[in-house]
Amino acid sequence: QVQLQESGPGLVKPSQTLSLTCTVSGGSITSGSYYWSWIRQPAGKGLEWIGRIYTSGSTNYNPSLKSRVTISVDTSKNQFSLKLSSVTAADTAVYYCARANGFYFDYWGQGTLVTVSS
Amino acid sequence: QSALTQPASVSGSPGQSITISCTGTSSDVGSYNLVSWYQQHPGKAPKLMIYEDTKRPSGVSNRFSGSKSGNTASLTISGLQAEDEADYYCCSYAGSSTWVFGGGTKLTVL
Repeated sequence: QVQLQESGPGLVKPSQTLSLTCTVSGGSITSGSYYWSWIRQPAGKGLEWIGRIYTSGSTNYNPSLKSRVTISVDTSKNQFSLKLSSVTAADTAVYYCARANGFYFDYWGQGTLVTVSS
Repeated sequence: QSALTQPASVSGSPGQSITISCTGTSSDVGSYNLVSWYQQHPGKAPKLMIYEDTKRPSGVSNRFSGSKSGNTASLTISGLQAEDEADYYCCSYAGSSTWVFGGGTKLTVL
């Protein structure tokens, strides 16, 4: 059973860079033809797809966030990561990592709250 | 790329059926058979309920079904149960390797 776990600072100052890591367990991140995604959810609001990465390093990003987002993968650690630069209060949200199985998301992490505040 | 449109809330009594709509455009919902639906209980991660418009993952109750007509996808829950009370989100492939979610619908079981 694949499990995903997000980790990283819960508080980030405005204009700084948000950095999160997702650790995958229960299987190798390189097995199967899966992409690995980041999705976020502001409090009381809907879900927003941020982007995805394949283990080759190929990435795709939400056009609305593309200029600020970088997703990377470390296959030796079975992890993938998210960096979001120049954050504002609007980036405060619960951030989820998820496995993209084709065109849907079948395994999700529990989510981690990141608050942007000085 | 705008969010898909869902009703803010729906409700039903135990045993009844309800349907949640998800309206997109000809660039997303209407172009691909790639709508998925997620159930989210408070404080929990979303759970996949339907994928590729109508398919149900192993382990998901057959009380959940998906359909689509034109630019609108729908999730139907039959035989409502108390544990179905949750938020539901639709998601569609939007082309160019991007995805778009709906704003979510709160289901209340009366």
